[in-house]
Amino acid sequence: QTVVTQEPTLTVSPGGTVTLTCASSTGAVTSDRYPNWIQQKPGQAPRALIYSSSNKHSWTPARFSGSLLGGKAALTLSGVQPEDEAEYFCLLYFGATQVFGTGTKVTVL
Amino acid sequence: EVQLVESGGGLVQPGGSLRLSCAASGLTFSTYWMSWVRQAPGKGLEWVANMNQDGSQKYYVDSVKGRFTISRDNTKNSLYLQMSSLRVEDSAIYYCAREFDWSKDYWGQGTLVTVSS
Repeated sequence: QTVVTQEPTLTVSPGGTVTLTCASSTGAVTSDRYPNWIQQKPGQAPRALIYSSSNKHSWTPARFSGSLLGGKAALTLSGVQPEDEAEYFCLLYFGATQVFGTGTKVTVL
Repeated sequence: EVQLVESGGGLVQPGGSLRLSCAASGLTFSTYWMSWVRQAPGKGLEWVANMNQDGSQKYYVDSVKGRFTISRDNTKNSLYLQMSSLRVEDSAIYYCAREFDWSKDYWGQGTLVTVSS
């Protein structure tokens, strides 16, 4: 059973920068896992932010960026805003199946 | 504007069945893969199933294989999830999502399924 692991919690100051990572139990995360990043605020439906490692949806704020870093997928938030406080999930594709990461709760403090 | 609206959730006893629906609008529904994703209370997201445009390809997470069936009716712009032999651990909010270019770009608001005696 594939496990996709993220940092459980991260705290960042307003205006600061934070990087979330996404690791796979099967080995290095590469572009053919098409890493996605999804934001979810309490009581709301998930919202897609990043796909295929670094591509942004039309609604994704410029301060969000995705990359592959040291065998993991990464999401960097630069110039963090209070409204970025949320849980962030990565998603990896493994052929016919897909696995979400464990989620990272980002606190803006 | 793309809209996905789930319905059909509710309270069901263990071993029971339920059929979820997802009504799509604002998109050419028949041209997209579609997925179901669930989220147990206070937990993370779990991909449940997806299917291609004409229903010839369907995939499921291991924990629901043989119990859940994904289907669609392109004439009604609707996606379905037939759930049977329900277990307490199937309790969750169920979301439908559009698949596009290896992403789930649009999500519905979800429908809550509670399996309890």
